[in-house]
Amino acid sequence: SSELTQDPAVSVALGQTVRITCQGDSLRSYYSSWYQQKPGQAPVLVIYGKNYRPSGIPDRFSGSSSGNTASLTITGAQAEDEADYYCNSRDSSGDHLNVLFGGGTKLTVL
Amino acid sequence: EVQLLESGGGLVQPGGSLRLSCAASGFTFSNYAMSWVRQAPGKGLEWVSATSGTGGSTYSADSVKGRFTISRDNSKNTLYLQMNSLRAEDTAVYFCAKVFGDYVIDYWGQGTLVTVSS
Repeated sequence: SSELTQDPAVSVALGQTVRITCQGDSLRSYYSSWYQQKPGQAPVLVIYGKNYRPSGIPDRFSGSSSGNTASLTITGAQAEDEADYYCNSRDSSGDHLNVLFGGGTKLTVL
Repeated sequence: EVQLLESGGGLVQPGGSLRLSCAASGFTFSNYAMSWVRQAPGKGLEWVSATSGTGGSTYSADSVKGRFTISRDNSKNTLYLQMNSLRAEDTAVYFCAKVFGDYVIDYWGQGTLVTVSS
């Protein structure tokens, strides 16, 4: 099966822009979704599809994709954005359904 | 309001069994695929299993295939995960999740902790 690879940790100054990336062969066939998880809480969907935000997600969150890389961009990061971020997609390899998650990126807002 | 409430977690010995339940409300349960996702302590998310809206199609990760069985009772709006032959590495918080499209998870339960230890 395929894998999704994320940088383990990223930091950003308050109010600045940060990009979190996710790489994997499956991203050539399927869009990535992005989830935010704060300590002790369930994940929350922040971006899905081409670049869609669920209701209630601030518009400073956006998504993009090119080739085998998906990106989550936070424009004007806020203190409350400090969290773990996970990408996921369907696996395009194999003959049965498999769903992939990236290893997660810990975002620190300085 | 969509709500997913897991139950059934706890401490179990290696080789033992456990059944998790997830009571769903706030949406037409039978119209949506559902999934289980787990998270070992201090680790990332791992997809475990999924089922179609009717329950007629089920899928599992290689790590649990042959040991875990996902099922659903649409008359009770409840999702299940039967876990057999449990191993220490199955220790995790298990999340119930509502799925749409290409396995996008739009709602998550709060999770139930399964600890496999002697």
